[in-house]
Amino acid sequence: GAGVSQSPSNKVTEKGKDVELRCDPISGHTALYWYRQRLGQGLEFLIYFQGNSAPDKSGLPSDRFSAERTGESVSTLTIQRTQQEDSAVYLCASRQGTSGSNEQYFGPGTRLTVT
Amino acid sequence: DAKTTQPPSMDCAEGRAANLPCNHSTISGNEYVYWYRQIHSQGPQYIIHGLKNNETNEMASLIITEDRKSSTLILPHATLRDTAVYYCIVGNPQGGKLIFGQGTELSVKP
Repeated sequence: GAGVSQSPSNKVTEKGKDVELRCDPISGHTALYWYRQRLGQGLEFLIYFQGNSAPDKSGLPSDRFSAERTGESVSTLTIQRTQQEDSAVYLCASRQGTSGSNEQYFGPGTRLTVT
Repeated sequence: DAKTTQPPSMDCAEGRAANLPCNHSTISGNEYVYWYRQIHSQGPQYIIHGLKNNETNEMASLIITEDRKSSTLILPHATLRDTAVYYCIVGNPQGGKLIFGQGTELSVKP
C-alpha cells in the first residue's frame, strides 16, 4: 500500500515568509510525528499527534512553529516568519495504534531552504 | 538528549557481517531498543526492535546483553546498499517521540 507522503518535496522561500508543509500518513495510522533534520545532523523531534489526545508539542523550537492534524489524516506544519536557521529537511512519520512496536514509517521529507 | 552511545563511523567489507554496537546503560525496565537506518537523502527506515531477548528478522539480528546496557545490530551479509547511518534508540513501546542521536555511519566497501 501507499506509504507516508509529503509535499512539497522541496521548498525555497525568502526569510520572513510563512511556509506550510503537508504530510499524508498511512491510512489507518493513528499516530503522526514531525521531525527536523539539519544538514549532517540527526533527527530532532518536533511534535506528536495521537488520536484525539492533546498533541505533544515539546519539541517545537519556537512559537513560530505550529502544526495541525485533521482527525487521523493529513497534518500541516506551519513555520511563520521563516529564518535561515529553519533550513532543514522536515520529516513526517506515522504509526499504527498505541500498542506494539512503536515502529514509525517515515516519509521522504520536505527540504526547506530559507534564503 | 539521546540515551544511547554509538561509534560515529564503521567500515565493512561487502559480503561480511556488519556488527554495530550501541551502549544504553541508563535504559529503564520498560524501554525497548529500536534500530533505524537512514540511507542518504531518504527518510529513516525501521529495522528491528527488542526488549531483552535476541531478535531476528529478514533484515538483521539484534543481540541485547543480559543486563540490557548494550546491544549489537548484526547485518549478516552486508551489501553496498546497506551503506547508511544506523540509529540505535531507546524508547517506550506505547508510542511518543523517538530521540535520535548521531548514529553510526556504516560504509560497506567492495
